[in-house]
Amino acid sequence: DAGVIQSPRHEVTEMGQEVTLRCKPISGHNSLFWYRQTMMRGLELLIYFNNNVPIDDSGMPEDRFSAKMPNASFSTLKIQPSEPRDSAVYFCASSAGLSSYEQYFGPGTRLTVT
Amino acid sequence: DQQVKQNSPSLSVQEGRISILNCDYTNSMFDYFLWYKKYPAEGPTFLISISSIKDKNEDGRFTVFLNKSAKHLSLHIVPSQPGDSAVYFCAASGGGTYKYIFGTGTRLKVLA
Repeated sequence: DAGVIQSPRHEVTEMGQEVTLRCKPISGHNSLFWYRQTMMRGLELLIYFNNNVPIDDSGMPEDRFSAKMPNASFSTLKIQPSEPRDSAVYFCASSAGLSSYEQYFGPGTRLTVT
Repeated sequence: DQQVKQNSPSLSVQEGRISILNCDYTNSMFDYFLWYKKYPAEGPTFLISISSIKDKNEDGRFTVFLNKSAKHLSLHIVPSQPGDSAVYFCAASGGGTYKYIFGTGTRLKVLA
């Protein structure tokens, strides 16, 4: 298996622009998680899905952030409008189910907002 | 408020010696703990875990110890190898939720 796939790997955009990050989970995994990594706060969970349904989005920082999972093999995290403080590495992870504690992480998308 | 804390941002250890990485938590509802390892430009990878019903779990060179009364866990790496140089995150979950709460990470450097 190719593992969790994220695209793009790097994104540089100007403040105010819309940014869309993409994730393809491991085939057969039912749960998907979006994290953000910053130096100050480490890895923060933004939102997670189970069977394509959002379960907990309490980590989404503002209404500018939204996530969707239209099917079992694809998810997006959108920031509109983007701000410089959104600059971070965004990780997607998947697991075989909520009761399976091991999460498999993708390589991340490094977002820079200027 | 950080529920999972890794107070040492970095640690340097000589090759062959023991590396001890520490993690403290505040939420007594946490019942499952994990360590992840992260190399630059890669996502974190699972290393080892421990349930709150145990106080020790061992996997090869890696051992995790859990002290529930102190709300403290530690990861021991013996012997340390240069390839172990990475950032190590501890994470906790529990209380009826499957969310992981991660610490801020400790950067381990193993010197050859």
